[in-house]
Amino acid sequence: ETGVTQTPRHLVMGMTNKKSLKCEQHLGHNAMYWYKQSAKKPLELMFVYSLEERVENNSVPSRFSPECPNSSHLFLHLHTLQPEDSALYLCASSQDQAGETGELFFGEGSRLTVL
Amino acid sequence: GQNIDQPTEMTATEGAIVQINCTYQTSGFNGLFWYQQHAGEAPTFLSYNVLDGLEEKGRFSSFLSRSKGYSYLLLKELQMKDSASYLCAVRDSNYQLIWGAGTKLIIKP
Repeated sequence: ETGVTQTPRHLVMGMTNKKSLKCEQHLGHNAMYWYKQSAKKPLELMFVYSLEERVENNSVPSRFSPECPNSSHLFLHLHTLQPEDSALYLCASSQDQAGETGELFFGEGSRLTVL
Repeated sequence: GQNIDQPTEMTATEGAIVQINCTYQTSGFNGLFWYQQHAGEAPTFLSYNVLDGLEEKGRFSSFLSRSKGYSYLLLKELQMKDSASYLCAVRDSNYQLIWGAGTKLIIKP
């Protein structure tokens, strides 16, 4: 298996549920990212991990909690979400956070619906 | 504030040429990226420009003018499979990526 894999692809949850999104990259990259993509809006960077250390937290509500246990895996733990959190959550990786081209490799995303 | 502008939607005909523009205002500049995203799929990297001029890759070319804060993506010999959203992103002085909202390109036979 190659590239960036995200599970689940689709998730429906109530506002009181706890769930997690998982991302796995098989590219040997050092940096991993969580993005939120809403219709007709720019990608919103949520979190950045470089060498398993969180280096960016863009004022994301605490109901989103990231975890990076190793350089290949990234989780996004979800708790007491709001309907406006419904979106596509994209995971990405890059060789380094500020590499020469900084090309990002994205997973296909987890489509989250909060009821 | 930092801002990336690109058209929301464009329509073109199979076999034709289309140019998707992107203008930006950012705190510093460390490169401009174009990504392609088919519906329901992951964005994939198309091109990277850091110096002024045209970069050509097969049917796709990307142009950059740093003095004008302007880039375009040129797609030639359009195919139906080119129907997708095209995302412009600029890396600022802090190496943060600032994204546009994307241009949805519709190709008609």
